[in-house]
Amino acid sequence: DIVMTQSPDSLAVSLGERATINCKSSQSVLFNSDKKNYVTWYQQKPGQPPKLLIYWASTRESGVPDRFIGSGSGTDFTLTISSLQAEDVAVYYCQQSYATPFTFGPGTKVDIK
Amino acid sequence: QVQLQESGPGLVKPSQTLSLTCTVSGDSITSGSYYWTWIRQPAGRGLEWIGRIYTLGTTDYSPSLKSRVSMSLDTSKNLFSLRLTSLTAADTAVYFCARFRSFAFDLWGHGTMVTVSS
Repeated sequence: DIVMTQSPDSLAVSLGERATINCKSSQSVLFNSDKKNYVTWYQQKPGQPPKLLIYWASTRESGVPDRFIGSGSGTDFTLTISSLQAEDVAVYYCQQSYATPFTFGPGTKVDIK
Repeated sequence: QVQLQESGPGLVKPSQTLSLTCTVSGDSITSGSYYWTWIRQPAGRGLEWIGRIYTLGTTDYSPSLKSRVSMSLDTSKNLFSLRLTSLTAADTAVYFCARFRSFAFDLWGHGTMVTVSS
């Protein structure tokens, strides 16, 4: 199985400041055939299902604010919230769909400082 | 607007079998090249992929659960189902159904809590 790790476990950022979450896969999730990284980012608020934010490591899902930015390739990926808003308080998960069983990172909790 | 809704028993006894259904509304379950998926989340913990079923009926399960899991489609009712046998307390979780759109889980149900307890 591909193991996904995330850091930090949690972070607190002031409103309007940048939040950065890191995700690492135990092997490359870059498909040579289409040159896409099969990493996805989700946001989960309490009592809700996860919400798709970013796929192919850097493509924003329709309707997702442009303050959410995904980057990285190979085994190292980052989700950046460029200017944290109150509604961004949530747990963020990375996930790989390069190979089954699909696996998720353990999550990073983002709070307001 | 496509929506997914899980249903099933909230409480199941140890060693028994869990059966959950996910009803898809707003579109036919066979209309696109989607994988219909089950994911679970123990309270306060992370997400675990259980498995998926393609619109043509082929399945793919997590190796850790493969011996206890089966999934099926009911195209007449536009739903898909999960069956998990030999339950233990470790199976207590919120169970989500989700649609996998080639590269990501783009639609999710709200989840249903399943507690395994005598």
